Amino acid sequence: DIQMTQSPSSLSASVGDGVTITCRASQGVSSYLSWYQQKSGQAPKLLIYAASTLQSGVPSRFSGSGSGTYFTLTISSLQPEDFATYHCQQTYSTPFTFGGGTKVESK
Amino acid sequence: QVQLVQSGADVRKPGASVKVSCRASGYTFTDYAIHWMRQAPGQRLEWMAWINTGNGRTKYSYKFQDRVTITRDTSAKTVHMELRSLTSEDTAVYYCAKDRLREPSITPWGASATYSPSIDPWGQGTLVTVSS
Repeated sequence: DIQMTQSPSSLSASVGDGVTITCRASQGVSSYLSWYQQKSGQAPKLLIYAASTLQSGVPSRFSGSGSGTYFTLTISSLQPEDFATYHCQQTYSTPFTFGGGTKVESK
Repeated sequence: QVQLVQSGADVRKPGASVKVSCRASGYTFTDYAIHWMRQAPGQRLEWMAWINTGNGRTKYSYKFQDRVTITRDTSAKTVHMELRSLTSEDTAVYYCAKDRLREPSITPWGASATYSPSIDPWGQGTLVTVSS
């Protein structure tokens, strides 16, 4: 399996802050990388796929970059509704593995 | 709007089987794959399988291959996930989700713009509890 490692596992930030989350793959996945947002008690919601393509309806403050084994998700200016857990997932080869999640909390 | 509605929570005994359903609406059912994932308490999300809802072709994670069967009923626009030989480690919330692709089976290097799965939206989740 391709192992996905996210960092940090949690972070504290304030509204208006810029936030960056990283995701590393144990082997190259080209740009087959998705990012999800999950709020407590809810299903995950797709933010970005193909490493940098914003899913329809997702605010432009979210952006993704990277290829190969290193990827980042950036929130340019954190909004109150962005406090949640973020997951990366490689979709290059099955099983499509997920990272361990990054919880973004209010400072 | 595109919507996936899953069946309700279930409690099963160890060794039993469970069947979770996922009813789709708001799009042409047979044009897009459906994935299944699960999330056990305190654990990371885990991908289980996908099904091509047009021809019924499936791809299972090797971890579940011997215990899971995914089927579809095109007339009911519903996908079913059956998991057998349950243990306490199968206690989790199970999710179905729609792909933008009919079958996410090829991933040419450097061609993710065309071939990358886009797994969204997800169903509301179904809690399966395995307990004696």
